[in-house]
Amino acid sequence: EVQLVESGGGLVQPGTSLRLSCAASGFTFSDYFMTWVRQASGKGLEWVANIKEDGSEKYYADSVRGRFTISRDNAKNSLYLQIDSLKAEDTAVYYCARYFRSGNYYQDHWGQGTLVTVSS
Amino acid sequence: DIQLTQSPSFLSASVGDRVTITCRASQDISSHLAWYQQQPGKAPKLLIFRASTRQSGVPSRFSGSESGTGFTLTIISLQPEDFATYYCQQLKSYPITFGQGTRLEIK
Repeated sequence: EVQLVESGGGLVQPGTSLRLSCAASGFTFSDYFMTWVRQASGKGLEWVANIKEDGSEKYYADSVRGRFTISRDNAKNSLYLQIDSLKAEDTAVYYCARYFRSGNYYQDHWGQGTLVTVSS
Repeated sequence: DIQLTQSPSFLSASVGDRVTITCRASQDISSHLAWYQQQPGKAPKLLIFRASTRQSGVPSRFSGSESGTGFTLTIISLQPEDFATYYCQQLKSYPITFGQGTRLEIK
């Protein structure tokens, strides 16, 4: 069974940094692109970043480029999102998702999300 | 960036009804469109990919179609568990974008 479990969220002050983690199991992690998506309370889904299977390619939303860094450790079956210079508008639930990209494209498995609250 | 305009934003319907949600892309996305269902407090769940292919395990009352840059999610014979928020998503090019969402509520 595919499982994705996010962690690392919490209440943080503006201007600080945070690293989110996503532990993957039930599939060959190194065979898949991975994705981070966030959702502010009561708002829609916002794609944040993607990373290629081997980590050699990374893609970011304009709203986070330069402050967010996506990375992965295939030996540990883990995905990460480093968030620097946190802003109030980064407050959201952050989901990791597996990104299927073989002819068809979609995020087929999602974690339960981790809440990041940026407030002083 | 490719914009997705999803409508309606809110939909009220009854169990047993048929509903349609539309999503229009600002340019050609070559069928690279997915639909997700999200229950309150839960992660999104993939329903449809490549505009019209149902994900494994998704009931047949859910269907997707396309016409040019317009896409439709249809749910026939609504069940109580279908009342949720639905999102379209384009994966043709970066940045990946979502529609604004359609909240489907029980009348």
